[in-house]
Amino acid sequence: GENVEQHPSTLSVQEGDSAVIKCTYSDSASNYFPWYKQELGKRPQLIIDIRSNVGEKKDQRIAVTLNKTAKHFSLHITETQPEDSAVYFCAASGTNAGKSTFGDGTTLTVKP
Amino acid sequence: DGGITQSPKYLFRKEGQNVTLSCEQNLNHDAMYWYRQDPGQGLRLIYYSQIVNDFQKGDIAEGYSVSREKKESFPLTVTSAQKNPTAFYLCASSINGNSYNEQFFGPGTRLTVL
Repeated sequence: GENVEQHPSTLSVQEGDSAVIKCTYSDSASNYFPWYKQELGKRPQLIIDIRSNVGEKKDQRIAVTLNKTAKHFSLHITETQPEDSAVYFCAASGTNAGKSTFGDGTTLTVKP
Repeated sequence: DGGITQSPKYLFRKEGQNVTLSCEQNLNHDAMYWYRQDPGQGLRLIYYSQIVNDFQKGDIAEGYSVSREKKESFPLTVTSAQKNPTAFYLCASSINGNSYNEQFFGPGTRLTVL
C-alpha cells in the first residue's frame, strides 16, 4: 500500500519567516495530495491541495509544489504568523475509494 | 465546521467492555471514514464506507467493527479485542469515494480505557 513520510516532525520559526514541510510518497498511482491543518484540540481542516496534473498551486501565503518523478510534494508558508502554529498533515490518495494515507504530521511553532 | 458530528467528546471504558462511537453527517456525503490518531503519529485508517450498506477494512481494522445502515451515520464499535484502544478517534466524510475529494472531519472522540 501507500506509504507517506513527512519531515520535519517539528519546526520552529520566527514570525515573518518562511516554513517548508516536505512529504514523500511511494505509490505512483496516487493522484491527489491534500494538506490539513490541525490546531490544538480541533479537527483537521483542509488548507490546500494539489492534483497530479499540476506542479504548483498557491493560495495567498500558502503554496504546494509537486514533483511526480521524485514522488515528493512540499508545503510552503511565507510570512508566517503566530496563528499558523498548528500540526500540519500531508496526505496522498489514489483511485481506491478516496482513501488517503497521511504523514505523521509536523508541529509548526511560530514565535512572535 | 458544521455538518459532521461525533459523540461523545470524551469516553471512558473499562477493560473488556465494548463501546460504540457515534458519527453523523448532514452533508449528503456518500463516503465516510474512521481514523485513529495517536500522539506523534498521523491519522491511521480503521474502516471506510463508500456507500450505504457497504464498508471495507482500512489499515488497522483489527478489534474494531462498523455498520452503515444509513447514509448519515457510520458508528464505530471498539471491541474488547482491540489491545490498545486508548486514542483520539476522528470520523470524516467526503462527497464520494473519488480520490480528488476533500475530507471533512468531525470534532473527534477521545477514548480512555481505565
